[in-house]
Amino acid sequence: SSELTQDPAVSVALGQTVRITCQGDNVRNYFPSWYQQKPGQAPILVIYGKNNRPSGIPDRFSGSTSGNTASLTITGAQTDDEADYYCNSRDISGNRYSVFGTGTKVTVL
Amino acid sequence: EGQLLQSGGGLVQPGESLRLSCTASGFTFSSPGISWVRRAPGKGLEWVSGISGTGLMTYYADSVKGRFVISRDNSVNTVFLQLERLRVEDTAVYYCAKGLWEFDQWGQGAPVSVSS
Repeated sequence: SSELTQDPAVSVALGQTVRITCQGDNVRNYFPSWYQQKPGQAPILVIYGKNNRPSGIPDRFSGSTSGNTASLTITGAQTDDEADYYCNSRDISGNRYSVFGTGTKVTVL
Repeated sequence: EGQLLQSGGGLVQPGESLRLSCTASGFTFSSPGISWVRRAPGKGLEWVSGISGTGLMTYYADSVKGRFVISRDNSVNTVFLQLERLRVEDTAVYYCAKGLWEFDQWGQGAPVSVSS
Protein backbone atom coordinates (compact mmCIF):
# COMPACT_ATOMS: atom_id res chain seq x y z
CA SER A 1 0.00 0.00 0.00
CA SER A 2 1.18 3.53 -0.71
CA GLU A 3 -0.93 5.12 2.01
CA LEU A 4 0.51 6.72 5.16
CA THR A 5 -1.44 6.21 8.36
CA GLN A 6 -1.28 8.49 11.41
CA ASP A 7 -3.19 8.51 14.69
CA PRO A 8 -6.01 11.08 14.41
CA ALA A 9 -5.22 12.88 17.67
CA VAL A 10 -2.79 12.92 20.57
CA SER A 11 -2.50 15.11 23.64
CA VAL A 12 0.54 16.08 25.68
CA ALA A 13 1.05 17.98 28.92
CA LEU A 14 2.97 21.22 28.66
CA GLY A 15 6.71 20.51 28.76
CA GLN A 16 6.33 16.79 28.22
CA THR A 17 7.30 14.67 25.20
CA VAL A 18 4.98 13.47 22.47
CA ARG A 19 5.67 11.16 19.56
CA ILE A 20 3.61 11.22 16.36
CA THR A 21 3.86 8.18 14.13
CA CYS A 22 3.43 7.68 10.38
CA GLN A 23 3.08 4.13 9.13
CA GLY A 24 3.36 2.91 5.56
CA ASP A 25 5.52 1.02 3.11
CA ASN A 26 6.71 4.29 1.55
CA VAL A 27 8.88 5.12 4.56
CA ARG A 28 10.92 1.97 4.11
CA ASN A 29 12.38 3.53 0.96
CA TYR A 30 12.19 7.29 1.47
CA PHE A 31 12.71 9.42 4.56
CA PRO A 32 9.45 11.28 5.13
CA SER A 33 9.12 14.99 5.69
CA TRP A 34 6.90 16.45 8.41
CA TYR A 35 4.64 19.50 8.33
CA GLN A 36 2.92 21.58 10.96
CA GLN A 37 -0.31 23.34 10.09
CA LYS A 38 -2.22 25.74 12.31
CA PRO A 39 -5.79 26.89 11.62
CA GLY A 40 -5.99 29.37 8.77
CA GLN A 41 -2.30 29.08 7.95
CA ALA A 42 -0.25 27.34 5.30
CA PRO A 43 1.73 24.28 6.40
CA ILE A 44 5.38 24.67 7.32
CA LEU A 45 8.15 22.12 7.01
CA VAL A 46 9.55 21.01 10.37
CA ILE A 47 11.61 17.90 9.55
CA TYR A 48 13.09 16.53 6.31
CA GLY A 49 15.58 13.85 5.34
CA LYS A 50 16.97 11.56 7.99
CA ASN A 51 16.47 14.15 10.76
CA ASN A 52 17.01 17.69 9.47
CA ARG A 53 15.35 20.87 10.66
CA PRO A 54 14.93 23.92 8.43
CA SER A 55 16.27 27.18 9.72
CA GLY A 56 14.04 28.57 12.44
CA ILE A 57 12.54 25.27 13.58
CA PRO A 58 13.25 24.65 17.29
CA ASP A 59 15.49 21.73 18.19
CA ARG A 60 12.70 20.18 20.28
CA PHE A 61 11.45 18.73 16.97
CA SER A 62 13.19 15.55 15.79
CA GLY A 63 12.51 12.73 13.37
CA SER A 64 13.34 9.04 13.16
CA THR A 65 12.40 5.97 11.15
CA SER A 66 12.27 2.26 11.94
CA GLY A 67 11.01 -0.23 9.40
CA ASN A 68 7.73 1.02 7.99
CA THR A 69 7.13 3.55 10.78
CA ALA A 70 8.41 7.11 10.91
CA SER A 71 8.12 9.27 14.01
CA LEU A 72 8.12 12.96 14.79
CA THR A 73 9.02 13.68 18.40
CA ILE A 74 8.42 16.94 20.22
CA THR A 75 10.56 17.03 23.36
CA GLY A 76 9.27 19.58 25.85
CA ALA A 77 6.05 20.52 24.05
CA GLN A 78 5.01 24.17 24.13
CA THR A 79 1.57 25.71 23.69
CA ASP A 80 2.73 27.02 20.31
CA ASP A 81 3.13 23.41 19.14
CA GLU A 82 -0.61 22.78 19.20
CA ALA A 83 -1.43 22.12 15.55
CA ASP A 84 -2.11 19.46 12.93
CA TYR A 85 0.93 17.46 11.84
CA TYR A 86 1.34 15.58 8.57
CA CYS A 87 4.00 13.26 7.25
CA ASN A 88 4.73 13.09 3.54
CA SER A 89 6.73 10.73 1.36
CA ARG A 90 7.31 9.66 -2.19
CA ASP A 91 4.52 7.55 -3.57
CA ILE A 92 5.87 4.07 -4.24
CA SER A 93 2.87 3.11 -6.36
CA GLY A 94 4.11 5.37 -9.11
CA ASN A 95 0.76 6.99 -9.85
CA ARG A 96 1.33 10.07 -7.75
CA TYR A 97 4.68 11.65 -6.99
CA SER A 98 3.93 12.30 -3.36
CA VAL A 99 1.48 11.31 -0.66
CA PHE A 100 0.55 12.85 2.69
CA GLY A 101 -0.28 10.99 5.85
CA THR A 102 -3.77 11.17 7.32
CA GLY A 103 -2.73 13.80 9.86
CA THR A 104 -2.53 14.05 13.65
CA LYS A 105 -4.09 16.76 15.79
CA VAL A 106 -1.77 17.59 18.69
CA THR A 107 -3.30 19.19 21.75
CA VAL A 108 -1.04 20.67 24.45
CA LEU A 109 -2.72 20.53 27.86
CA GLU B 1 14.58 33.34 1.30
CA GLY B 2 12.03 32.84 -1.44
CA GLN B 3 8.35 33.44 -1.55
CA LEU B 4 5.35 31.96 -3.37
CA LEU B 5 2.41 34.26 -4.06
CA GLN B 6 -0.86 32.73 -5.17
CA SER B 7 -3.77 34.18 -7.09
CA GLY B 8 -7.00 32.79 -8.44
CA GLY B 9 -9.62 30.76 -6.68
CA GLY B 10 -13.21 31.65 -5.97
CA LEU B 11 -16.75 30.32 -6.07
CA VAL B 12 -17.94 28.33 -9.08
CA GLN B 13 -20.71 25.91 -9.95
CA PRO B 14 -20.15 22.22 -10.62
CA GLY B 15 -18.77 21.62 -14.10
CA GLU B 16 -17.14 25.03 -14.33
CA SER B 17 -13.45 25.91 -14.53
CA LEU B 18 -10.88 27.97 -12.66
CA ARG B 19 -7.20 28.77 -12.99
CA LEU B 20 -4.84 29.11 -10.06
CA SER B 21 -1.47 30.84 -10.32
CA CYS B 22 1.63 30.65 -8.17
CA THR B 23 4.38 33.20 -8.74
CA ALA B 24 7.78 32.74 -7.14
CA SER B 25 10.46 35.16 -6.09
CA GLY B 26 13.77 34.90 -4.29
CA PHE B 27 15.06 31.62 -5.74
CA THR B 28 16.08 30.11 -9.08
CA PHE B 29 12.61 29.23 -10.27
CA SER B 30 13.54 26.92 -13.14
CA SER B 31 15.28 24.45 -10.83
CA PRO B 32 12.80 22.99 -8.35
CA GLY B 33 9.63 21.14 -9.03
CA ILE B 34 6.44 22.77 -7.84
CA SER B 35 3.40 21.00 -6.41
CA TRP B 36 -0.20 21.84 -5.64
CA VAL B 37 -1.63 20.58 -2.36
CA ARG B 38 -5.18 21.02 -1.12
CA ARG B 39 -7.04 20.77 2.14
CA ALA B 40 -10.77 20.21 1.98
CA PRO B 41 -12.99 21.25 4.90
CA GLY B 42 -12.70 18.75 7.74
CA LYS B 43 -10.07 16.71 5.90
CA GLY B 44 -6.29 16.45 5.73
CA LEU B 45 -3.72 17.59 3.23
CA GLU B 46 -3.91 15.98 -0.21
CA TRP B 47 -1.15 16.20 -2.79
CA VAL B 48 -2.86 17.09 -6.06
CA SER B 49 -0.30 17.67 -8.80
CA GLY B 50 3.37 18.38 -9.45
CA ILE B 51 5.57 19.62 -12.27
CA SER B 52 9.31 19.29 -12.79
CA GLY B 53 11.61 22.30 -13.04
CA THR B 54 11.72 22.14 -16.81
CA GLY B 55 8.01 21.50 -17.10
CA LEU B 56 8.58 18.33 -19.07
CA MET B 57 7.28 16.00 -16.38
CA THR B 58 3.86 16.34 -14.78
CA TYR B 59 2.17 14.26 -12.12
CA TYR B 60 -1.41 14.01 -10.87
CA ALA B 61 -3.41 12.40 -8.13
CA ASP B 62 -6.00 9.96 -9.42
CA SER B 63 -8.76 12.17 -8.01
CA VAL B 64 -7.94 14.98 -10.46
CA LYS B 65 -6.30 13.19 -13.40
CA GLY B 66 -7.98 14.15 -16.65
CA ARG B 67 -9.63 17.23 -15.13
CA PHE B 68 -6.74 19.35 -13.83
CA VAL B 69 -3.72 20.49 -15.85
CA ILE B 70 -0.50 21.80 -14.34
CA SER B 71 1.88 23.97 -16.36
CA ARG B 72 4.63 26.49 -15.80
CA ASP B 73 6.11 29.53 -17.50
CA ASN B 74 9.65 29.94 -16.23
CA SER B 75 9.99 33.29 -18.03
CA VAL B 76 7.55 34.78 -15.51
CA ASN B 77 8.36 32.47 -12.57
CA THR B 78 4.80 31.15 -12.47
CA VAL B 79 3.13 27.77 -12.17
CA PHE B 80 -0.51 27.35 -13.12
CA LEU B 81 -3.18 24.84 -12.21
CA GLN B 82 -6.13 24.73 -14.58
CA LEU B 83 -9.12 23.17 -12.85
CA GLU B 84 -11.74 21.81 -15.25
CA ARG B 85 -15.06 20.03 -14.75
CA LEU B 86 -15.02 20.98 -11.09
CA ARG B 87 -16.93 18.88 -8.59
CA VAL B 88 -18.33 19.70 -5.17
CA GLU B 89 -15.64 17.47 -3.65
CA ASP B 90 -12.92 19.72 -5.15
CA THR B 91 -13.88 22.39 -2.63
CA ALA B 92 -10.72 23.12 -0.65
CA VAL B 93 -7.95 25.59 0.04
CA TYR B 94 -5.31 25.05 -2.62
CA TYR B 95 -1.65 25.68 -1.83
CA CYS B 96 1.32 25.72 -4.12
CA ALA B 97 4.57 24.45 -2.62
CA LYS B 98 8.21 24.32 -3.71
CA GLY B 99 9.24 20.75 -4.33
CA LEU B 100 7.73 17.50 -5.47
CA TRP B 101 7.89 15.62 -2.17
CA GLU B 102 9.75 17.84 0.32
CA PHE B 103 8.07 21.20 0.48
CA ASP B 104 10.18 23.91 2.05
CA GLN B 105 8.13 26.88 0.90
CA TRP B 106 4.38 27.30 0.60
CA GLY B 107 2.05 29.84 -0.91
CA GLN B 108 -0.56 31.53 1.21
CA GLY B 109 -3.41 29.40 -0.12
CA ALA B 110 -6.36 30.08 -2.41
CA PRO B 111 -9.90 28.97 -1.52
CA VAL B 112 -11.90 27.17 -4.19
CA SER B 113 -15.57 26.58 -3.50
CA VAL B 114 -17.70 24.47 -5.84
CA SER B 115 -21.39 24.71 -5.14
CA SER B 116 -24.66 24.94 -6.98
